[in-house]
Amino acid sequence: DTEVTQTPKHLVMGMTNKKSLKCEQHMGHRAMYWYKQKAKKPPELMFVYSYEKLSINESVPSRFSPECPNSSLLNLHLHALQPEDSALYLCASRHQRAPNTGELFFGEGSRLTVL
Amino acid sequence: AQKVTQAQTEISVVEKEDVTLDCVYETRDTTYYLFWYKQPPSGELVFLIRRNSFDEQNEISGRYSWNFQKSTSSFNFTITASQVVDSAVYFCALIQGGSEKLVFGKGTKLTVNP
Repeated sequence: DTEVTQTPKHLVMGMTNKKSLKCEQHMGHRAMYWYKQKAKKPPELMFVYSYEKLSINESVPSRFSPECPNSSLLNLHLHALQPEDSALYLCASRHQRAPNTGELFFGEGSRLTVL
Repeated sequence: AQKVTQAQTEISVVEKEDVTLDCVYETRDTTYYLFWYKQPPSGELVFLIRRNSFDEQNEISGRYSWNFQKSTSSFNFTITASQVVDSAVYFCALIQGGSEKLVFGKGTKLTVNP
């Protein structure tokens, strides 16, 4: 079982809806990530949080709004999405140590469908 | 710029066959890390192995083995005596030391038939 828990596993929303994806880990990791994965494509980095502060935003549209309320939780708030935003959204975390050796622990993802 | 190429889009084998997944990478950095991740139908990416750029020693873990060759910029993954449970998409990935951005290859879908 993965140690990174994502909810919901499936989400269907209309373009005018507001919804949120949630990610939780209790491994004491202080770096957390959101990735987006379209069908048959590799994951693409969206956001990185380091010690609860946003450190990287890969030019993601503002209709995606990340939030890290504490060291164990990571949210992705969704508003006014487009059908092309339908994808698997993966959360990941890692130990915060230098140098970054890149070993990420991934959740099972939230599969989002925008109608 | 960094790049990871997995030329094999899909591979289909019969159970107990050996299979090698190819990975070629490009980077100008001297410090980097290479990874293989497995993504079963459940969706999560499962970490399999990490190799740093200074350690070319090959590794074996059970039925899995990895061949890292800096001379050819390759980091190939072999599954010996494949099993149906090995069916998944396998991603090779690269990260520059100190970077946050893991660069993935496009993945190889492996199907192991009984």
